Amino acid sequence: EAGVTQFPSHSVIEKGQTVTLRCDPISGHDNLYWYRRVMGKEIKFLLHFVKESKQDESGMPNNRFLAERTGGTYSTLKVQPAELEDSGVYFCASSQGDNKRISGANVLTFGAGSRLTVL
Amino acid sequence: QKEVEQNSGPLSVPEGAIASLNCTYSDRGSQSFFWYRQYSGKSPELIMSIYSNGDKEDGRFTAQLNKASQYVSLLIRDSQPSDSATYLCAVNIASPMKSGYALNFGKGTSLLVTP
Repeated sequence: EAGVTQFPSHSVIEKGQTVTLRCDPISGHDNLYWYRRVMGKEIKFLLHFVKESKQDESGMPNNRFLAERTGGTYSTLKVQPAELEDSGVYFCASSQGDNKRISGANVLTFGAGSRLTVL
Repeated sequence: QKEVEQNSGPLSVPEGAIASLNCTYSDRGSQSFFWYRQYSGKSPELIMSIYSNGDKEDGRFTAQLNKASQYVSLLIRDSQPSDSATYLCAVNIASPMKSGYALNFGKGTSLLVTP
């Protein structure tokens, strides 16, 4: 079974430019999450999709960030325009279910992350 | 106050010893607790999940939860050099609007197991 795939693995852009990160979840996983880790900080929740719908986007830092999941398969996270403080590692994760009490079938699986460097 | 706190380490233990990793959390409403292992440059990997007070054992790993003290720990018995990694404590964000996997993470504890 293929895992969660993220692209690109590393992106270097200049302040003011646009970057789009892509996540392909595990096939059949309705739940897709975006997290971010900025330098020296902990991993922070950004948002959660259930299929193509945004279940929770309370962690999105500001309106320069736009996440989409058209068709409920892969997801993109666009940063426009990028600022220096957006640098960090963006993780995508997916799960089959989303119960409050997570069972073994609902393990949250992370991708390797997309490292974004804004100069 | 940070939602999830961990000692950043590094924690160094000799091979074969018990490694003890600790985590405290601030939100008393949290119900789900996780330990992830992350090797450098790799994705976080779930090691243990725990939901009830007490101990939960899985192989060489034991998770301990004390909700009254808002404390979670992970014990690794018979530590191996391959256990050297960063261990992340994660706790669900307690809110009626939050799904089970909206998590708060600690910064992680770096573990080094020396041969």
